[in-house]
Amino acid sequence: GENVEQHPSTLSVQEGDSAVIKCTYSDSASNYFPWYKQELGKGPQLIIDIRSNVGEKKDQRIAVTLNKTAKHFSLHITETQPEDSAVYFCAASRGVSGGGADGLTFGKGTHLIIQP
Amino acid sequence: EAQVTQNPRYLITVTGKKLTVTCSQNMNHEYMSWYRQDPGLGLRQIYYSMNVEVTDKGDVPEGYKVSRKEKRNFPLILESPSPNQTSLYFCASSLFGTDTQYFGPGTRLTVL
Repeated sequence: GENVEQHPSTLSVQEGDSAVIKCTYSDSASNYFPWYKQELGKGPQLIIDIRSNVGEKKDQRIAVTLNKTAKHFSLHITETQPEDSAVYFCAASRGVSGGGADGLTFGKGTHLIIQP
Repeated sequence: EAQVTQNPRYLITVTGKKLTVTCSQNMNHEYMSWYRQDPGLGLRQIYYSMNVEVTDKGDVPEGYKVSRKEKRNFPLILESPSPNQTSLYFCASSLFGTDTQYFGPGTRLTVL
């Protein structure tokens, strides 16, 4: 099955600086790569996702890049703000080829700390 | 408001006492799933359902049961809970043909 590795487990950055979280996956058939943000006491919330036919996607201060050959994808947050502090999870799946049957395989999470 | 709800949010129980965690979504989603979250392990899928009366095992199904009698509800059943099922549980749903999964707020279960 799929295996997703995520690094680092903890990341502390100064407010206003950029943060980068990296993930690798093992299943070459995976084609859907979402990123979730989990705040304390809440469920994971999708913040951005990318499919394997796209190399990069951006949404305001957040961007995701995908390298299919190397099987890795990264989350980039620019101009970090205190409200960006949370745990971030990457995930991978084979997508809707099975009608959505393929569950998400998650990385172990990155605790992002924004220092004022 | 479109949402996934879970009940209870917190539960402390004892070994062997059957319990059910409910999950309900109001988005008319076909696909529903249960995950457990443990420190250092991330989220792992327990069971999923592609539609009413259609369920299948995820990565860690042992000790759990599910049912899908109605489209909006997907309860998780622990018939004889054990301490190793102490965890944070999340229900999620998605629309057939899409990949985006929407998560509930979580249920923190402690089995003594």
